[in-house]
Amino acid sequence: QKEVEQNSGPLSVPEGAIASLNCTYSDRGSQSFFWYRQYSGKSPELIMFIYSNGDKEDGRFTAQLNKASQYVSLLIRDSQPSDSATYLCAVNPVSGGYNKLIFGAGTRLAVHP
Amino acid sequence: GAVVSQHPSRVICKSGTSVKIECRSLDFQATTMFWYRQFPKQSLMLMATSNEGSKATYEQGVEKDKFLINHASLTLSTLTVTSAHPEDSSFYICSPRTDNLGAFFGQGTRLTVV
Repeated sequence: QKEVEQNSGPLSVPEGAIASLNCTYSDRGSQSFFWYRQYSGKSPELIMFIYSNGDKEDGRFTAQLNKASQYVSLLIRDSQPSDSATYLCAVNPVSGGYNKLIFGAGTRLAVHP
Repeated sequence: GAVVSQHPSRVICKSGTSVKIECRSLDFQATTMFWYRQFPKQSLMLMATSNEGSKATYEQGVEKDKFLINHASLTLSTLTVTSAHPEDSSFYICSPRTDNLGAFFGQGTRLTVV
């Protein structure tokens, strides 16, 4: 079992819709969770992080964390064609200490006009 | 915020040669730098952690004699891919350790070994 799993996609949504991206992780003691956007050929850009169960909102983005289910998601409201990218989930596992991040392989999102 | 400058952005080299990738922190002192590698359509994989003034820590399966890391100053960490092979072709990314874990990345280096 991979430590951080994401559906590779592509996830195709129409412009203006809500895009829902999901991520599961295996280390039950993981402390912090991150979502990144990565355009082709570029480095990841941090969208947001979440530490506590529940929802965290930042503009059009909402991260949702459920530690009991070992599940974290990212919702993108009012999706725009510029949101088309690969979205990476990353986890700071308890076994890795403060420094280590484990990344999923990413979900490719395509927002069509 | 932390600004990290990584060079070169792209490099093509011949098999058997060495390539050096630099990562500079421009407005802060980076005592620790993380080096990642990303193959196409795969996740970022941590290769090693460099610490200023001491030896780097390599992840399991990463050859320390092939991927030489130097962190001689608080503003510069380098990764040298020695005796490059085509299978070393990848996207290499640095990321400084800051109070905000995972917040900053270099621009990345696309290495192609021919």
